Amino acid sequence: DIQMTQSPSSLSASVGDRVTITCRASQTIGSYLNWYQQKPGKAPKLLIYAASSLQSGVPSRFSGSGSGTDFTLTISSLQPEDFATYYCQQTYSAPLFGGGTKVEIK
Amino acid sequence: EVQLVESGGGLVQPGGSLRLSCAASGFTFSSFWMSWVRQAPGKGLEWVANINQDGSEKYYVDSVKGRFTISRDNAKNSLYLQMSSLRAEDTAVYYCARDDRRSHEYWGQGTLVTVSS
Repeated sequence: DIQMTQSPSSLSASVGDRVTITCRASQTIGSYLNWYQQKPGKAPKLLIYAASSLQSGVPSRFSGSGSGTDFTLTISSLQPEDFATYYCQQTYSAPLFGGGTKVEIK
Repeated sequence: EVQLVESGGGLVQPGGSLRLSCAASGFTFSSFWMSWVRQAPGKGLEWVANINQDGSEKYYVDSVKGRFTISRDNAKNSLYLQMSSLRAEDTAVYYCARDDRRSHEYWGQGTLVTVSS
């Protein structure tokens, strides 16, 4: 079975910072990798699909990259509304989420 | 506007059953795969099951195989999750989601299922 390892599990950052979250698959998954944002008490929101495609309506400060086993979500300039938990998900086989990264205010 | 509204959650005893529903609107329901995703309190996300457009293909996470059944009624624009032999570890918020491009593009607000005696 494919395992998804997301890092870090949490981070502290300031408004305006560049933030990078990584996700590693235990075997190649091509580009079948999605990123979601979840705020407390709310449903997750799709940010990036197919590793690097920006979902409609998502700000361009969010970007995704990678293929195979190593993937990255980058927020180019962190905004106050970006403090949330972020999850990667592989859909190469039975969908599986990473453990999540909580982005907190420094 | 795409809307997904879950219902049917509540408190159930271990070993009991519950049926969740998801009412869809704002899109052609019969054209999309649909999924159920759950989140235990304070934990991460877990995909539970999905179903194709006409209900002929269904897939489940191993932990619910044989206990949960996903189904849909395209005439009623509704998705269902029949849950039986419920366990404490099934306690979670259950979300329905519309799938597209191998991702969960739209999500409902979720319904809480609590399995406890």
